[in-house]
Amino acid sequence: NAGVTQTPKFQVLKTGQSMTLQCAQDMNHNSMYWYRQDPGMGLRLIYYSASEGTTDKGEVPNGYNVSRLNKREFSLRLESAAPSQTSVYFCASSPGQGALGYEQYFGPGTRLTVT
Amino acid sequence: AQSVSQHNHHVILSEAASLELGCNYSYGGTVNLFWYVQYPGQHLQLLLKYFSGDPLVKGIKGFEAEFIKSKFSFNLRKPSVQWSDTAEYFCAVNLRTGTASKLTFGTGTRLQVTL
Repeated sequence: NAGVTQTPKFQVLKTGQSMTLQCAQDMNHNSMYWYRQDPGMGLRLIYYSASEGTTDKGEVPNGYNVSRLNKREFSLRLESAAPSQTSVYFCASSPGQGALGYEQYFGPGTRLTVT
Repeated sequence: AQSVSQHNHHVILSEAASLELGCNYSYGGTVNLFWYVQYPGQHLQLLLKYFSGDPLVKGIKGFEAEFIKSKFSFNLRKPSVQWSDTAEYFCAVNLRTGTASKLTFGTGTRLQVTL
């Protein structure tokens, strides 16, 4: 049981390049999330998916797109990377949807640098 | 919009000292509360959570937190810290709604424990 996995672990991009961050979970969770972590700002939600087939914007969605490929996988795409997107990106999943909130389980993160 | 405040940004303690990290949130509705820890170079791990019931919750590694509804607070405590507790600590809140459990994080408190 690997939990939440993310690829790649590290990535350097030039301004304007595109890339996709991959996330997968093997816990049969319904909901998945993408966050970015920047010094002094905590974690901010980029996009989330309450269930397979649905996605919604979070706090900082500009410059990103997501795809919930199936129940296990949730990818984050940067179409035209900018230096402001230099950050550590975390994927997370949680068991449920509905009236009760559930704790989220986090992946190991992807450290992205845009030059 | 809900927000989470962690007033201590950087705390330095000697081993065996007692710890209390503050967390206040702004939303007055029904919430779930969490403390996560991030050890250097690692992903976030859940320390403890409060959904309902006894407002004093115990987590892993000797940590506990008390939910005080009237003060909108969920402070983290540990009677005697160890060097291995050096990490960044995040308080997080989500609302009990009918949709995905989006978490709002505080900006984090960096704890440094000296020998």
